[in-house]
Amino acid sequence: QVQLVQSGAEVKKPGASVKVSCKVSGNTLTELSMHWVRQAPGKGLEWMGGYDPEDGEIIYAQKFQGRVTMTEDSSTDTAYMELSSLRSEDTAVYYCATLRSAIFYYFDYWGQGTLVTVSS
Amino acid sequence: EIVLTQSPGTLSLSPGERATLSCRASQSVSSSYLAWYQQKPGQAPRLLIYGASSRATGIPDRFSGSGSGTDFTLTISRLEPEDFAVYYCQQFGSSPWTFGQGTKVEIK
Repeated sequence: QVQLVQSGAEVKKPGASVKVSCKVSGNTLTELSMHWVRQAPGKGLEWMGGYDPEDGEIIYAQKFQGRVTMTEDSSTDTAYMELSSLRSEDTAVYYCATLRSAIFYYFDYWGQGTLVTVSS
Repeated sequence: EIVLTQSPGTLSLSPGERATLSCRASQSVSSSYLAWYQQKPGQAPRLLIYGASSRATGIPDRFSGSGSGTDFTLTISRLEPEDFAVYYCQQFGSSPWTFGQGTKVEIK
């Protein structure tokens, strides 16, 4: 059973960067395709990007291109999502989720979420 | 970008009743790339349905999905108290992978 445990809540000022971690247990990160989804308070879900197993590269939603960097440390089975130039609209819960992609595509395992608050 | 429009926004029903949730796509989506999730307050989303109609592991058979092309449906045959939550559809057919805005199923 895969478990994803994320880092704790963060409070950042506008213009700063935040780096959220997601540690995998029950499998190794190299066997998984990790993605990130965020949810602003009271709002819906928004996909940010993640590892595309077809291309072997990390893909980003165009909305976040240039501001987001997703990395992985296979030695610790930990994935990271760093978002820079933060603004108030980036206040949200950030989730990591594993992509299953064969015949079907879907996110099967999710982290517990990390609240990032951007406030001056 | 494929826009997924879910309706209704809120569904007020009683336990034991049938819930029918709609997800309409602005462009055709392969059934293989359509999933449904349930989210309860303060929790991460939970996968219910993948491939438009396949139940995820451990999901009760009162949940069913159907549809193709641009019209997809999630049906809960008899609502249990634990089913009152927000439901999202998601497409993986075209980047960016988008979610619907959600349907809240609330107790009447």
